[in-house]
Amino acid sequence: DAKTTQPTSMDCAEGRAANLPCNHSTISGNEYVYWYRQIHSQGPQYIIHGLKNNETNEMASLIITEDRKSSTLILPHATLRDTAVYYCIVRVGAGNKLTFGTGTQLKVEL
Amino acid sequence: GAVVSQHPSWVICKSGTSVKIECRSLDFQATTMFWYRQFPKQSLMLMATSNEGSKATYEQGVEKDKFLINHASLTLSTLTVTSAHPEDSSFYICSARVGNVGGGGSTSPLHFGNGTRLTVT
Repeated sequence: DAKTTQPTSMDCAEGRAANLPCNHSTISGNEYVYWYRQIHSQGPQYIIHGLKNNETNEMASLIITEDRKSSTLILPHATLRDTAVYYCIVRVGAGNKLTFGTGTQLKVEL
Repeated sequence: GAVVSQHPSWVICKSGTSVKIECRSLDFQATTMFWYRQFPKQSLMLMATSNEGSKATYEQGVEKDKFLINHASLTLSTLTVTSAHPEDSSFYICSARVGNVGGGGSTSPLHFGNGTRLTVT
């Protein structure tokens, strides 16, 4: 699996957009980018995934650069409940095992 | 949406005893489930892949005789921590993927249970 690099932590004001970056410069052509988050003492929650086109769902948007070497997860209007560790994972199909890195601790504040 | 349920959510046991953790896919079938372990302030570490009707596949360094996995049906996998010791105290999490029946590659995401907090005294 391609290795990913994420900032250790980020802060965001409630109501503002949270933009979480992820670098995956060694990604190969058939690898997808997946985002999960883990709220304290809970299991990870799936957010979104994509291959090369930008994706949007009810939770977030995923922007993948044209060269696919990096991506950004966007929470358009962050709330306190979005405080969590966000994991960016690159894998050929999530049906098989996922390898978690250290993720980004997002703290949403008033 | 796809729901994965774990039971119990927390358990305290004495050193030397065994503990069984259940993982169920409530509204879908899964031939494969995955078991993770997470220590405080660390990321999730994959322990093993549970395959329905066959033996589990363990990651390097995980003792298969200590962490017994049984995947007897398409909706249930169990992890038994045998002869538990305080160092086994951790957060255990299972996951499964929708559309897993029949195998083959798929891009559908894994869904996770809410985890089981095990404390061995």
